[in-house]
Amino acid sequence: ETGVTQTPRHLVMGMTNKKSLKCEQHLGHNAMYWYKQSAKKPLELMFVYNFKEQTENNSVPSRFSPECPNSSHLFLHLHTLQPEDSALYLCASSQDTDSYEQYFGPGTRLTVT
Amino acid sequence: AQSVTQLDSQVPVFEEAPVELRCNYSSSVSVYLFWYVQYPNQGLQLLLKYLSGSTLVKSINGFEAEFNKSQTSFHLRKPSVHISDTAEYFCAVPSGGSYIPTFGRGTSLIVHP
Repeated sequence: ETGVTQTPRHLVMGMTNKKSLKCEQHLGHNAMYWYKQSAKKPLELMFVYNFKEQTENNSVPSRFSPECPNSSHLFLHLHTLQPEDSALYLCASSQDTDSYEQYFGPGTRLTVT
Repeated sequence: AQSVTQLDSQVPVFEEAPVELRCNYSSSVSVYLFWYVQYPNQGLQLLLKYLSGSTLVKSINGFEAEFNKSQTSFHLRKPSVHISDTAEYFCAVPSGGSYIPTFGRGTSLIVHP
């Protein structure tokens, strides 16, 4: 595997379910990011990790819980989501947060029913 | 905070025609500017960047963008588009105090045969 991978690619979940999104980067980077991409809206930065430490949380509701066990893996734990949380969730990585170029995964298409 | 505005949400064009995707930025400090492209069912990829030096920057697949300080613009152009250029294009600028990009709403380029 090369680059940034995300699993699953598609996920349908009910509002009472608990699920997790997984991201893995094979680039040797130290920073990882979660973005939310909704139709016709700018990408929303959700969380930033630099050297496994969370450095940004952009007022994301607590029903989204990130986890970064090491520099190569990033998870987004989901519970009691709302229909408006349906979106494409993109993971990205960069050498560190002082690097301007980000490398994105293909995203997980989440539908909350 | 720095931001970008993409005025066109969708740009339809015929194959082999020229195209311009518009991006205006707001910043009173040194400017770094980026264009990312998102092909269907994929994550974003860095297309080209302006950091300093020549105001005209080019990508490997024929796109170019010109940094225009007086007009606060960084429009993306291609003299002759191909069907495979159909994608979503995002203009971006680093957010205040870091290199983490803030993205515009995106412009959907649709190339018709």
